[in-house]
Amino acid sequence: QKEVEQNSGPLSVPEGAIASLNCTYSDRGSQSFFWYRQYSGKSPELIMFIYSNGDKEDGRFTAQLNKASQYVSLLIRDSQPSDSATYLCAVNHNAGNMLTFGGGTRLMVKP
Amino acid sequence: NAGVTQTPKFQVLKTGQSMTLQCAQDMNHNSMYWYRQDPGMGLRLIYYSASEGTTDKGEVPNGYNVSRLNKREFSLRLESAAPSQTSVYFCASSEAQGPGANVLTFGAGSRLTVL
Repeated sequence: QKEVEQNSGPLSVPEGAIASLNCTYSDRGSQSFFWYRQYSGKSPELIMFIYSNGDKEDGRFTAQLNKASQYVSLLIRDSQPSDSATYLCAVNHNAGNMLTFGGGTRLMVKP
Repeated sequence: NAGVTQTPKFQVLKTGQSMTLQCAQDMNHNSMYWYRQDPGMGLRLIYYSASEGTTDKGEVPNGYNVSRLNKREFSLRLESAAPSQTSVYFCASSEAQGPGANVLTFGAGSRLTVL
């Protein structure tokens, strides 16, 4: 069973709307959580990370973590066509440096 | 500042051939990683090197070998390529400890096709 689960999508939202991307993980001992964005044919790039329960905001992006329910989400406010990409959730599920990635959610923002 | 550089960008192999993917980083990072990415599977860790002189298996190490040549370079070798190794390979690096430990900087990727 894959340890980090994401809906593959595509998730389609109109320009200006809020896009909500969700991720669940199986290891309750997971410590840190990351969101990477990957444009088609390109390499992943970090958007933000979160360690503590609650919300963390960075510009138009908000990461939400709920360790009791074992989910982490990414909200994108005022979505733009340039946000169209695959969003990868990653979890550090042990004490080392290893990240486990979810399969990614493809987001499409329509003008 | 080049970041993480991978070569080659594209490669076509026949079953049974061998090849080495090269990776170099210029950010003075201690940790380096090799991932493969297949459609719908996300990124899966093949091998990683937490520091110069050490290497460890990741989630899918079978059929691969790695060498941490020095702090900058981490190569991935396929000794006898199989069609199941057709994939996009990403090298990445990060700081060894602290908040930056899992902030990965990725190379541009190497697309490998095994016929």
